[in-house]
Amino acid sequence: DAGITQSPRHKVTETGTPVTLRCHQTENHRYMYWYRQDPGHGLRLIHYSYGVKDTDKGEVSDGYSVSRSKTEDFLLTLESATSSQTSVYFCAISESRGMYNEQFFGPGTRLTVL
Amino acid sequence: GDSVTQMEGPVTLSEEAFLTINCTYTATGYPSLFWYVQYPGEGLQLLLKATKADDKGSNKGFEATYRKETTSFHLEKGSVQVSDSAVYFCAQDSGGSNYKLTFGKGTLLTVNP
Repeated sequence: DAGITQSPRHKVTETGTPVTLRCHQTENHRYMYWYRQDPGHGLRLIHYSYGVKDTDKGEVSDGYSVSRSKTEDFLLTLESATSSQTSVYFCAISESRGMYNEQFFGPGTRLTVL
Repeated sequence: GDSVTQMEGPVTLSEEAFLTINCTYTATGYPSLFWYVQYPGEGLQLLLKATKADDKGSNKGFEATYRKETTSFHLEKGSVQVSDSAVYFCAQDSGGSNYKLTFGKGTLLTVNP
């Protein structure tokens, strides 16, 4: 258990509203990631962070922004939610194992945009 | 860019059957390779890994061998159980300093008693 929590766990919102998802970790990990999981697409990286205020885009970043003002929290914001952003969102951290890094995942947030 | 291709399934087996889920990767160089498993309603967790060619990763009766010559990392288990029902993801790392992973699309396995 890498001490990762996500909030909220479930959310239903309307098209055009802003939504913020929170990922919180308790073990001071430097690297954090946001993924979305959709049937037929597997997991796709949205954004990632390599330190406080250091973030970069993944393969599906359009329509999403992130912020990391402190080590333990990584926020994902949908500025104006669309139905295509209905998905399950996972946060992950990366922990060194010497010859490789292992990613640990949070429990996920199921977001429905009506 | 890097990509991972795996059997999409779904795969349905009877208990004690043999399992193979194929996975191939396209990264250049020598990426580390992983299999992650996702049980219903949960996040992903690492099942096994291999960090160099000819390495065999193993865990919970599952095995996968890193084959550089065929760019493959197929997952196998000799005798599946009902409790193995889950979604399995093959993944490779990017080799860069940010430890990003590229995942396959996942394979849903259902094991019937």
